Amino acid sequence: RKEVEQDPGPFNVPEGATVAFNCTYSNSASQSFFWYRQDCRKEPKLLMSVYSSGNEDGRFTAQLNRASQYISLLIRDSKLSDSATYLCVVNSGAGSYQLTFGKGTKLSVIP
Amino acid sequence: GAVVSQHPSWVICKSGTSVKIECRSLDFQATTMFWYRQFPKQSLMLMATSNEGSKATYEQGVEKDKFLINHASLTLSTLTVTSAHPEDSSFYICSARDLTGALPREQYFGPGTRLTVT
Repeated sequence: RKEVEQDPGPFNVPEGATVAFNCTYSNSASQSFFWYRQDCRKEPKLLMSVYSSGNEDGRFTAQLNRASQYISLLIRDSKLSDSATYLCVVNSGAGSYQLTFGKGTKLSVIP
Repeated sequence: GAVVSQHPSWVICKSGTSVKIECRSLDFQATTMFWYRQFPKQSLMLMATSNEGSKATYEQGVEKDKFLINHASLTLSTLTVTSAHPEDSSFYICSARDLTGALPREQYFGPGTRLTVT
């Protein structure tokens, strides 16, 4: 089983749509969870950390279910500028600062 | 946010030559930097953890004699790909943690170096 698995995508959605990405992780000792965004041929950029109680940042909402080892990202009112690959990232274990990346889910927002 | 730079941003070299990539934290000190490699349509894979003043820790399957890492100061880590071959062509990305920042868990990524070996 891969350490971090994501929806394969690609997701092609119209502007204004709501889209959700899912991610599962295998390391039950992981304590830190993130969503990163990566544009084509660029480095990943932190979109948001994911907290146990769930958190929201504008149009973006992240949820964490530790029991199911499941993370989600919801994007509301999609913009053209949201087109990118979204990476689910977890730390490699308790107290570890090493990160394990999912392969990413590509999102294309269409006019 | 914190800034991490990498140099060069892209490089083309001939098979058998060595290439050095620099990673700098510009406005913070980083005792730990990480080196990743990303092949097309693949996830970032951690290659090694670079520790200031000590030897790097390599992930399984990464040859330490081929990928030389030096972390001589709190703001600079270098990765040297020795005797590069076409299969080493990839996107190399470094990251660094800002220990003094409000979010010490957060890693800041450099813009990456695209290496093409012909």
